[in-house]
Amino acid sequence: RKEVEQDPGPFNVPEGATVAFNCTYSNSASQSFFWYRQDCRKEPKLLMSVYSSGNEDGRFTAQLNRASQYISLLIRDSKLSDSATYLCAVNLRNQGGKLIFGQGTELSVKP
Amino acid sequence: DAGITQSPRHKVTETGTPVTLRCHQTENHRYMYWYRQDPGHGLRLIHYSYGVKDTDKGEVSDGYSVSRSKTEDFLLTLESATSSQTSVYFCAISESQSDTQYFGPGTRLTVL
Repeated sequence: RKEVEQDPGPFNVPEGATVAFNCTYSNSASQSFFWYRQDCRKEPKLLMSVYSSGNEDGRFTAQLNRASQYISLLIRDSKLSDSATYLCAVNLRNQGGKLIFGQGTELSVKP
Repeated sequence: DAGITQSPRHKVTETGTPVTLRCHQTENHRYMYWYRQDPGHGLRLIHYSYGVKDTDKGEVSDGYSVSRSKTEDFLLTLESATSSQTSVYFCAISESQSDTQYFGPGTRLTVL
């Protein structure tokens, strides 16, 4: 079993749709959680850190469920510009800041 | 955007040749990382550094070595490149081990 798992998609949604991604992690020593966005042939860019209480940034909402060991990302009112690959990442406690990434979920927003 | 550059951005080389990739940062961050990204595997950590001359292995370190003689530079060396090392290589930096990591633009390496 991979340490961090995501549904690779692709998710094909119309503009304006709400889409949700989940990411499960297996190591209970996981300390910090992140969602990154990666455009084709570009570097990953931080979208949001994920906090225990959940956090929201505009149309994006991230949540953490430690008991079930998953994090989620909700995108409301999808835009064409949201088309990208979304990577979840988990930072393990006391391991030098190693980030373990999921394989990414591809999102395609259509007009 | 974080001040991270990578060089070269693209390289084609032949099997058996040595290759060195450079990551340079202007943020004075303590931690630096090298990842490779491959279809079906996602991003995987090769090596990381937690200070000048302080480095440690990641999950896919075989065939790679690193050096960090200055805070701002982190070098990744393939002593004898193989076709399995064809990949996109990303450098990342962070202030501490639990902080957000910021990525450089990547180096696309092809080993023929």
